[in-house]
Amino acid sequence: GQQLNQSPQSMFIQEGEDVSMNCTSSSIFNTWLWYKQDPGEGPVLLIALYKAGELTSNGRLTAQFGITRKDSFLNISASIPSDVGIYFCAGQRNTGTASKLTFGTGTRLQVTL
Amino acid sequence: KAGVTQTPRYLIKTRGQQVTLSCSPISGHRSVSWYQQTPGQGLQFLFEYFSETQRNKGNFPGRFSGRQFSNSRSEMNVSTLELGDSALYLCASRGGSNTEAFFGQGTRLTVV
Repeated sequence: GQQLNQSPQSMFIQEGEDVSMNCTSSSIFNTWLWYKQDPGEGPVLLIALYKAGELTSNGRLTAQFGITRKDSFLNISASIPSDVGIYFCAGQRNTGTASKLTFGTGTRLQVTL
Repeated sequence: KAGVTQTPRYLIKTRGQQVTLSCSPISGHRSVSWYQQTPGQGLQFLFEYFSETQRNKGNFPGRFSGRQFSNSRSEMNVSTLELGDSALYLCASRGGSNTEAFFGQGTRLTVV
């Protein structure tokens, strides 16, 4: 099945550092979403983006919907140990009442003290 | 407000058996989608239901089916289980078109 290109695949960072990850697609999406998933749990929604060029923050997280509608990035500032997990981008394409998420390959984040 | 509830959390089945997974969406949400997550393929879309009708379907064999009830609860069925069906099955609910999807904790299915 299709997956979006997400990079980096994994990263080790020190507590307090900033983190950047991005997602690219060959297709246009109406909505970009960023999720965090802990082991054995379902993805938890972090940020939703609805318009091209939109820049949205949620605490230490900032995400942007690319102008071309084919990419998005997520920044985490001043990382802390609880930021550990796998981050997924997802593009959503809506047609009437139908919708489908196409997920990125994930970025595994590990934070060291 | 309660989140998306999936039952059971864990399940072990034998090859050739069938299984039914259940999902209760967030109250007021009418759209329910199902996803399969495996280490090799990542998160893949199975199907979506809205108002008891399947609105969208992914590229999975006919052994995977689902339905939605009038109270928006949904069930997913997999028949003639194969080892490769071992995965975390996730359900997501949405409130309406162009709204974000919220996921349940998933059902971990192991086929032996």
